[in-house]
Amino acid sequence: GNSVTQMEGPVTLSEEAFLTINCTYTATGYPSLFWYVQYPGEGLQLLLKATKADDKGSNKGFEATYRKETTSFHLEKGSVQVSDSAVYFCALPKSGQAGTALIFGKGTTLSVSS
Amino acid sequence: DVKVTQSSRYLVKRTGEKVFLECVQDMDHENMFWYRQDPGLGLRLIYFSYDVKMKEKGDIPEGYSVSREKKERFSLILESASTNQTSMYLCASSSTGGASETQYFGPGTRLLVL
Repeated sequence: GNSVTQMEGPVTLSEEAFLTINCTYTATGYPSLFWYVQYPGEGLQLLLKATKADDKGSNKGFEATYRKETTSFHLEKGSVQVSDSAVYFCALPKSGQAGTALIFGKGTTLSVSS
Repeated sequence: DVKVTQSSRYLVKRTGEKVFLECVQDMDHENMFWYRQDPGLGLRLIYFSYDVKMKEKGDIPEGYSVSREKKERFSLILESASTNQTSMYLCASSSTGGASETQYFGPGTRLLVL
């Protein structure tokens, strides 16, 4: 079945630093790929997604490109802010069936200091 | 905007108690999910439902049951709470339409079983 591996943190950065969080996946076909973010004390929010190979998802200054050659979907941001401190999850559908559950990576905790 | 609400943000129960966690979504989504989130383990699927009165076991259904009597409501039941069920519980929903894999999450219920 499908699976996902993301780098585990914690990741600690200074404000305005460059961020990369690695995510690789194993899947049948080319499923949609997702990044979710969880701010302290909250549920998960969709940050961005890409639905096909070579697509770039972007939101709030974050970007991730769906790369089928390397089966990767790394999350990047050019200049992080303190408010970006959160846990980030890479995810993909469990199967190709409509309405299927998502499989999540274990999460990467990002702490940004001023 | 999709809204998923959960009945409690924090809950403290005693071992052996029957516990009900409620989830309601307002977007007429067909699919609803219950996950638990634990440090170092990420999110794990407990149960999901793709229609009223329909349910499917996820990866860790033992000790849990679910109920979906109405489309908008999906309940998670801990038949006899145990300390190893202390966790964060997250409800999510998704449609069966075009963006069927995108899941929308509630704020979570942090359950402590003493």
